Amino acid sequence: DAKTTQPTSMDCAEGRAANLPCNHSTISGNEYVYWYRQIHSQGPQYIIHGLKNNETNEMASLIITEDRKSSTLILPHATLRDTAVYYCIVRVGTGANNLFFGTGTRLTVIP
Amino acid sequence: SQTIHQWPATLVQPVGSPLSLECTVEGTSNPNLYWYRQAAGRGLQLLFYSVGIGQISSEVPQNLSASRPQDRQFILSSKKLLLSDSGFYLCAWRGRPNTEAFFGQGTRLTVV
Repeated sequence: DAKTTQPTSMDCAEGRAANLPCNHSTISGNEYVYWYRQIHSQGPQYIIHGLKNNETNEMASLIITEDRKSSTLILPHATLRDTAVYYCIVRVGTGANNLFFGTGTRLTVIP
Repeated sequence: SQTIHQWPATLVQPVGSPLSLECTVEGTSNPNLYWYRQAAGRGLQLLFYSVGIGQISSEVPQNLSASRPQDRQFILSSKKLLLSDSGFYLCAWRGRPNTEAFFGQGTRLTVV
């Protein structure tokens, strides 16, 4: 199973920043943190990933704590189209190839 | 550019019938390939992954099997479907560990 813990659901007002937390206290030194989102009835979409430095792209920012035990995905100006389930995952297990998802956080952007 | 194709988009099958879902990837070689299942309102469950032709790793014992007859082709099968096999099946690929994965649009399977 995925070694991450996320809140089950969150709400965010449209136009405000959405901050989605993730705990990964057992992450090892060479494991990356990935974020995906899944809009209803579609395949998951990659958002961003990082190792230890904060990352930013056109979709979001990823803030990783110095001890790497938690991270936060930030959607700077949430829109209604950002309503989705957001998954935080890390590489799991001794194999380099499996890719596990948890249950994610259901973000609802409210008009 | 790379693309992933998964079909059919929806499927209704009777209990006890066979299943074959196909996934193909274009624009890359030697990808890692994955099959996931998502039950209604639940998270993604990793079923199988493959690092090369004929190499299949199963994550969950079940009524399903997977095969990779060609480098960019991944097939999910069952000899006899169960009601519990209903769900949303997703195929994904990625080029190397620690890179992002790309998902197909999924197949919604209903076993009746």
